[in-house]
Amino acid sequence: EAEVAQSPRYKITEKSQAVAFWCDPISGHATLYWYRQILGQGPELLVQFQDESVVDDSQLPKDRFSAERLKGVDSTLKIQPAELGDSAMYLCASSPGLSFWTGDFSGANVLTFGAGSRLTVL
Amino acid sequence: QKEVEQNSGPLSVPEGAIASLNCTYSDRVSQSFFWYRQYSGKSPELIMSIYSNGDKEDGRFTAQLNKASQYVSLLIRDSQPSDSATYLCASKDSSYKLIFGSGTRLLVRP
Repeated sequence: EAEVAQSPRYKITEKSQAVAFWCDPISGHATLYWYRQILGQGPELLVQFQDESVVDDSQLPKDRFSAERLKGVDSTLKIQPAELGDSAMYLCASSPGLSFWTGDFSGANVLTFGAGSRLTVL
Repeated sequence: QKEVEQNSGPLSVPEGAIASLNCTYSDRVSQSFFWYRQYSGKSPELIMSIYSNGDKEDGRFTAQLNKASQYVSLLIRDSQPSDSATYLCASKDSSYKLIFGSGTRLLVRP
């Protein structure tokens, strides 16, 4: 079964350090999402890519967070410098294409999440 | 009001009972709704979707959408201890961004 790959699974860092997370979506999926989930809360969208283009990064703290998907396949989310409040699970998800984003739901266009990367900032 | 709201729970039911999970939503989200299950320490997985008024059944799960009252619910029949998890309600906002509620924790007692 196709999976969304994420690494690392766990990351412990000290505040002010840089961290990076990597995501490889399901092959052929055009849309890639990065969500942040703080313990006890629902996932919050940080950035959404359609191929290599950012279509929504309104909730991404751009002073310290950056995301890229240079070739429209895998993606990297970076935090520099990390702060205590960044401790969370960072979830990557992918979906086949534009139809989900535009609201035209079909059974095939659902988000599949990776296992997540749990970040602890000390 | 948040776009999607859920009671955090926990909701505790005995094994074999019906678990009823509820979600209310604001005018800022669309009429497409999704229920995700998330086990502790794991990532969310989609279990049901609904976008028409009424009921939609899939095995032991039934999703119900009431647009007039702006709520969506998930019923789990014959609840099993393995159903113990956090259930996330989600919908899309005006920019088609998927918005999640904070989740309801379900505990099924053996």
